[in-house]
Amino acid sequence: GQQLNQSPQSMFIQEGEDVSMNCTSSSIFNTWLWYKQEPGEGPVLLIALYKAGELTSNGRLTAQFGITRKDSFLNISASIPSDVGIYFCAGQSGGSRLTFGEGTQLTVNP
Amino acid sequence: DGGITQSPKYLFRKEGQNVTLSCEQNLNHDAMYWYRQDPGQGLRLIYYSQIVNDFQKGDIAEGYSVSREKKESFPLTVTSAQKNPTAFYLCASRSGTGQANYGYTFGSGTRLTVV
Repeated sequence: GQQLNQSPQSMFIQEGEDVSMNCTSSSIFNTWLWYKQEPGEGPVLLIALYKAGELTSNGRLTAQFGITRKDSFLNISASIPSDVGIYFCAGQSGGSRLTFGEGTQLTVNP
Repeated sequence: DGGITQSPKYLFRKEGQNVTLSCEQNLNHDAMYWYRQDPGQGLRLIYYSQIVNDFQKGDIAEGYSVSREKKESFPLTVTSAQKNPTAFYLCASRSGTGQANYGYTFGSGTRLTVV
């Protein structure tokens, strides 16, 4: 099946720092999604991107749909302790299925 | 409030036993999915269903079975044939149409432990 390479696998940062993570694929996607998962819970949708080049913000979060349609990044500005969790990218190229990245584990030290 | 409910939250099973995980949604979504999550790994698709009375195998269907007799319900059975069933299981649903509905809504998961 399709593969998404998500990096970094983990990040340890100080409160107040900015964070950047990205996903790349060898395949083209029509939709990119970013999710956050807190311990023991299901992922929650943060941002959805539908057009190449699209830049979308949700509070301190900003995500972009790459021009080539093969990549996306997520930035978190001025991190706070409640940003802790696993962040997943997901891509859809048609049909019903999403392809998920392996996640970025974010730890924020107060 | 609309949502997707998984039960139980924690489940313990003896080796050799089948166990069924429940997933119910009241979002009127057409498609439903089951994922398995292991520590340090992403989400792996087990089975999915786009419509009542129809379902397809995902990437790791061996040792699992599902049914979709009602739109609201998509139970997953972990059979004794599944060699390593201990994992966190996530159910998700999605509306069948509309660009704005491409994102999945996830349940809060069931943690299955084989003892």
